[in-house]
Parts: sequence; structure tokens; C-alpha cells
Amino acid sequence: KAGVTQTPRYLIKTRGQQVTLSCSPISGHRSVSWYQQTPGQGLQFLFEYFSETQRNKGNFPGRFSGRQFSNSRSEMNVSTLELGDSALYLCASSLATVRTSTDTQYFGPGTRLTVL
Amino acid sequence: KQEVTQIPAALSVPEGENLVLNCSFTDSAIYNLQWFRQDPGKGLTSLLLIQSSQREQTSGRLNASLDKSSGRSTLYIAASQPGDSATYLCAVGGYQKVTFGTGTKLQVIP
Repeated sequence: KAGVTQTPRYLIKTRGQQVTLSCSPISGHRSVSWYQQTPGQGLQFLFEYFSETQRNKGNFPGRFSGRQFSNSRSEMNVSTLELGDSALYLCASSLATVRTSTDTQYFGPGTRLTVL
Repeated sequence: KQEVTQIPAALSVPEGENLVLNCSFTDSAIYNLQWFRQDPGKGLTSLLLIQSSQREQTSGRLNASLDKSSGRSTLYIAASQPGDSATYLCAVGGYQKVTFGTGTKLQVIP
């Protein structure tokens, strides 16, 4: 079974631009979570989607948004990029068969975003 | 709000040693706890998942324990090898949310 895939793997943008990252979960997984990882803040939760609905959100500004499609693929969008948005963005999928449960998370390789 | 702490932040041991990594959490109302390893610049690899009803899980040289009442989990690595060098993170699964610890960076010296 194929693992979680993320595209692109590397991205360089300038301040003020916007970016869209994509995540394809493991087949059959309906939950997709997004995380931001930086050396200073560690791994921080952005949001989670389950069956096309956002069911939890971390403490990030509204510039960070996401969505999930009917095939469970998810996209994350960051508008008006700032230097501090430079980070490794990780996506994780989970079987999570019940809306309120958490289950084993499988991570993708991440997208390295650099904002100049 | 769940807070997850991992101590120490970094650890260096000679090859062959047995070692213990610690994870503490503040809210005992959890569904599960998961241990991951992360190699530099890479994603996270799941090592072990312990459900809230379990006390421990084992996989090869790894053993993870969970004590919900005291808010603690430990990851025991037997006979450490240089290939075990990585950052180890614990993640606490609660109601609709997973909270990660800050990680322990392990270096195993040949």
C-alpha cells in the first residue's frame, strides 16, 4: 500500500506570495492532519480534516487554510507569506473511523517551504 | 489544554547501552499515545502506538509503557545502535486532537 505523499517536496517563495501544498493520504484513510515544524517551535498542529470537514484547528492565523476533497486528498494554502512561514510542513493521515477518535498517524515526507 | 513534555531534550550514549526516553503529559483523558522517530529533514516514522487501555507495547528492541494516572510514558531502547540516532517524539491522542512533545534528540556513538 502506498504511503502518504506530499507535493511539492521543496518550494521557494517570496514574501507576500501565496502557496498551496498538497497531500495524498494512504488509501482508505479519511483523516488528514497538517503540521508546521520549525527549529524554534517544534511540531505545531495546524488543522485536521475528516471526511471533507475541518474538525479541529490549531492556533494559526487565518492566512493558513485548508480543504479536503471527496477522495480524501487535502490541500493547505498559505496566503500573504511571511518570512516566519519558512518551515517543514508535514501531513499525516489516519484511519480514524470514528469522528471523535484519534488513531495511528502516518506521516508524509513533508514539504520544505522557504520564504525569501 | 494538553501539554506534552519530553526530557531530556538531547541525549548522547555509547553504542550498546540500554536507554530510556521520557514523555509527560498533563491531561490523563487520552485515547492513545504514539512514539515516532524523525531523521533530519525527513518526515516522522511511527514506532509504537499504545491505546489508553494498554500498559505497554513492544516491537523488536523497543518497548513503550504508559501510565495514564501519572501522565507518563517511557520508550525503552535496548542495545542501542548508531542507526538509532534520530529525534524521538511522543504524541498524545486526545479528543479529536493529537499533541506532540518537543522531542529528544538521541545520538548513539559507535
